[in-house]
Amino acid sequence: EPEVTQTPSHQVTQMGQEVILRCVPISNHLYFYWYRQILGQKVEFLVSFYNNEISEKSEIFDDQFSVERPDGSNFTLKIRSTKLEDSAMYFCASNSGGAGQETQYFGPGTRLLVL
Amino acid sequence: AQSVTQLGSHVSVSEGALVLLRCNYSSSVPPYLFWYVQYPNQGLQLLLKYTSAATLVKGINGFEAEFKKSETSFHLTKPSAHMSDAAEYFCAVSKKSSGDKLTFGTGTRLAVRP
Repeated sequence: EPEVTQTPSHQVTQMGQEVILRCVPISNHLYFYWYRQILGQKVEFLVSFYNNEISEKSEIFDDQFSVERPDGSNFTLKIRSTKLEDSAMYFCASNSGGAGQETQYFGPGTRLLVL
Repeated sequence: AQSVTQLGSHVSVSEGALVLLRCNYSSSVPPYLFWYVQYPNQGLQLLLKYTSAATLVKGINGFEAEFKKSETSFHLTKPSAHMSDAAEYFCAVSKKSSGDKLTFGTGTRLAVRP
């Protein structure tokens, strides 16, 4: 069964450093998302992406964040200058679009720790 | 804006007992509702979804949920808990079929006692 994959599974970085989190969505999916979950808290929406552009972003998704689909298969989240409060589990999700295709399929997540 | 409230951050049941996890939603448009499960150190897996068809929805692992518009609820139930059901359960809402974000509740951690 196709699945969303994410790399790395864990990343430790120093405050102020740039990180890139990578996701490979399910191959025929058209909508892509990033969510994050700070330890012990709920899953929060960051950004959605369709047709090579951002369709919606949350207030969390400020200028330090960017997303890209560089090659038709990968979907990346870049944090330009990490802060301590960026420490969280980051989930990528995708869905195919269209009627009856509401389900978002989630990857296993990348646990980011900013020191 | 849409929102979801999950009553009870922790629920503990005995193996074989009924599982009831509560979810109430707020939405200005007819909602699409989802239950996801998260096992330790894993991602989110869809249990079931309501998308304006049948109000009683059956999902995987014996779980089901009933959409009650009058009560703005979408509670998750399972007649008989199994040890393997121990996990965190998230209720989520979206506005439309595709492309819309999911808004999650705060989650309910289910413990199953032997």
